[in-house]
Formats: sequence, C-alpha cells, structure tokens
Amino acid sequence: DVKVTQSSRYLVKRTGEKVFLECVQDMDHENMFWYRQDPGLGLRLIYFSYDVKMKEKGDIPEGYSVSREKKERFSLILESASTNQTSMYLCASSRPGDVGRSTEAFFGQGTRLTVV
Amino acid sequence: QKEVEQNSGPLSVPEGAIASLNCTYSDRGSQSFFWYRQYSGKSPELIMSIYSNGDKEDGRFTAQLNKASQYVSLLIRDSQPSDSATYLCAVKGSARQLTFGSGTQLTVLP
Repeated sequence: DVKVTQSSRYLVKRTGEKVFLECVQDMDHENMFWYRQDPGLGLRLIYFSYDVKMKEKGDIPEGYSVSREKKERFSLILESASTNQTSMYLCASSRPGDVGRSTEAFFGQGTRLTVV
Repeated sequence: QKEVEQNSGPLSVPEGAIASLNCTYSDRGSQSFFWYRQYSGKSPELIMSIYSNGDKEDGRFTAQLNKASQYVSLLIRDSQPSDSATYLCAVKGSARQLTFGSGTQLTVLP
C-alpha cells in the first residue's frame, strides 16, 4: 500500500513563527502536492513538485514556500505564520500517469495547524 | 466561475436508497476525473476514477462521465450509514495538477 506520512497530526504555533510541515512518501512517486482545506472552500493547491529540487506554485502560494531535496520528501514552510494560515494541511503524492491523464493522488493523514 | 463545482449539500438519503452526487467542470480539455470520499477528520481516499464517456461501475458505486456536457456524477446504490461522508470531485484539466471541488456532504439516515 502507498503510504504518505505527515510529521504531525496537530500543531499549535505562534504568530510570526517559522513553521515546517514535513511529508514523506514510500512509493517512489514523482509528483508531490501540498493542499490546505478550509470549510466551504474545499482543497486548494499551495505548491506542487514533479521532480527533485523542482517546484511550481499552485493557486494560493502566498506566505508559503516548499523544499524538495529528496524524491520521497516534500516540505511546506510557513515563513512567518499568521492566524489566517490556521487550517488543515494535506500532502499528496502520485505517479506521473500517461500523457493527458493523471493517476490517483494518495493523501497523508493531514496536519491541523492552529496559529495563535 | 469555479473550475470544478459541486452542490455543497448536505444531501440526505434513507438507508438503501440511491445517492446521486454531481459535479461540473469548466475546462473542456479535461481528461481525468476522480471521486474521493472524506470522513470527518480524515484525509480523502479515492473511490473511483473515470477517463472515458459513459458509466463505470465498481461494486455499489457508479461513476458517469459526459464530456460534452462537462458533467461527472457518482451514484451510490443501496446507501449505507457508513457512506456518510463528504465526497470530493477532482478533475485534471489542461493544468498538470488536480483541481478539487468543494465537496458534497452526504448523510445516510438509518
């Protein structure tokens, strides 16, 4: 079974802190994604990566950065946490799939981040 | 206009009934469509994927795709209380990543 593991289930941080959310997958997937999920807004893509050291902005990258130094690990960084970044953060991974198609994305268990 | 739209619900059906969940999308070039189920406090898990027009059945679940109408649906037959969850529609359009709808909350009443 594919396993995507996020480092923390629950996290409480103070405004202005630098926050690291870690994600590791064990299926040698090329693609990795970070989403945040808020009530009524669904899943919104923050950043994604299709290869080591490669990153692309998603729909809401402001206030976030990412790092992918190894294929299995994709980190989300909140440079200076703010209260509006309180959310559920979900990491996902997938294989590249055929041209024009997409294979399924497997999700980690989620990190519920509260910024106070 | 949102790229992927779903009725947020809540949708309530009695146990044993058919639950019908709908999704529309805006990118005509979309070729990959997915339905995820998400229980409260849990992460999404894939139920169905569909790539071609028509129906695809898997147990009690049927996904239906109509690319001309830019419409994809999920039918759940013989609904069970354990089916109560939020159902997320995801679409891969011309962009490289999946775009998710905001989800439909389904409650199956015993």
